Amino acid sequence: GESVGLHLPTLSVQEGDNSIINCAYSNSASDYFIWYKQESGKGPQFIIDIRSNMDKRQGQRVTVLLNKTVKHLSLQIAATQPGDSAVYFCAENEANAGGTSYGKLTFGQGTILTVHP
Amino acid sequence: ETGVTQTPRHLVMGMTNKKSLKCEQHLGHNAMYWYKQSAKKPLELMFVYNFKEQTENNSVPSRFSPECPNSSHLFLHLHTLQPEDSALYLCASSQERGTEQFFGPGTRLTVL
Repeated sequence: GESVGLHLPTLSVQEGDNSIINCAYSNSASDYFIWYKQESGKGPQFIIDIRSNMDKRQGQRVTVLLNKTVKHLSLQIAATQPGDSAVYFCAENEANAGGTSYGKLTFGQGTILTVHP
Repeated sequence: ETGVTQTPRHLVMGMTNKKSLKCEQHLGHNAMYWYKQSAKKPLELMFVYNFKEQTENNSVPSRFSPECPNSSHLFLHLHTLQPEDSALYLCASSQERGTEQFFGPGTRLTVL
């Protein structure tokens, strides 16, 4: 079946370093991808999204890269801060081969990012 | 209140109890969702409502019964749950199905 998965379950970085969190997806017809951040005791929070007609999108300190050839998504966080420590999920909006959205998101397992002061 | 709210934030119940989880969204969205989040598992979609109509039931056991009286409110009625149903239950809403979803803080459910 189609799935969204993460290569690394945990990532530890030093404050000020750049972080890269990776995600592989298998539904080549998916047309919309989102990164969420979930802090302890809270629901997931939207970070950034990207549509399949784009390769890169930048936000404040975050960049999402989409490589459709290898079905890979990454989240780059610049100058990582202790407040960035959380679980990060990628999600894809599934669609059929004709490009019609199924109207639901499929989430990956998540990567735990720990930022050390 | 803004965004998506959920009550209660924590719930402990026995296997013979009946309880309900409530979700309210103040965003004017048309679609609402229930998810289950267990430790070391991806978020599991349970139900989807679009314009108050249920559009997806992801093979959820009948001991979970959703209700959507209007586009702003979503309930999850619980009865005769099992200990393995203990999890964080998250509600989300989106403008339309398939667009960015906004999540509530979740209800931490423990079934004894």
